[in-house]
Amino acid sequence: AQRVTQPEKLLSVFKGAPVELKCNYSYSGSPELFWYVQYSRQRLQLLLRHISRESIKGFTADLNKGETSFHLKKPFAQEEDSAMYYCALSPNTGNQFYFGTGTSLTVIP
Amino acid sequence: DVKVTQSSRYLVKRTGEKVFLECVQDMDHENMFWYRQDPGLGLRLIYFSYDVKMKEKGDIPEGYSVSREKKERFSLILESASTNQTSMYLCASSRPWTLHSNQPQHFGDGTRLSIL
Repeated sequence: AQRVTQPEKLLSVFKGAPVELKCNYSYSGSPELFWYVQYSRQRLQLLLRHISRESIKGFTADLNKGETSFHLKKPFAQEEDSAMYYCALSPNTGNQFYFGTGTSLTVIP
Repeated sequence: DVKVTQSSRYLVKRTGEKVFLECVQDMDHENMFWYRQDPGLGLRLIYFSYDVKMKEKGDIPEGYSVSREKKERFSLILESASTNQTSMYLCASSRPWTLHSNQPQHFGDGTRLSIL
């Protein structure tokens, strides 16, 4: 069963425009949610996690348990934000992670 | 800074060969993971290990096996490589899950494996 859904494979926005990358999950209980980013020719790295409630590189993500969503947002996109973004879920019962299929973000100058 | 090192960035092998992909981490992490990354499919977990000599199947273990003889090293083995195993393989490590939170994973650079 698909636990993490990222409905958009590709997303293009203009520089300075707001950006939202969608992530929905399916899991009973209280999972932890993460966003990972992979810039061109770089390794996959953690961007942010919901328990931290922090803003990283201008990105924020709020866990909405009612809608089972964890959308990633940034008010003003920058060219250096162009990358592949993965939403990931980790159950509160163990070590495993479940990744979505990823969204490739392109910020147009 | 956590360092996860995969032995090869690019690897080309032939159908039927036995292939070894090696991964080493230097942060004394208990957990180690092997994923394959394919366009449109995201990351799919092959196997993970939460301790030396311990292993758990992920979502797509068929055709693969793993070995964890030492804490810092986690090997992925393709017993008899096939063309559908051509992919990018990612290794990751993390501290273990706790009651308070789970720990983020740290990834290597990946090994792009081509099976001819």
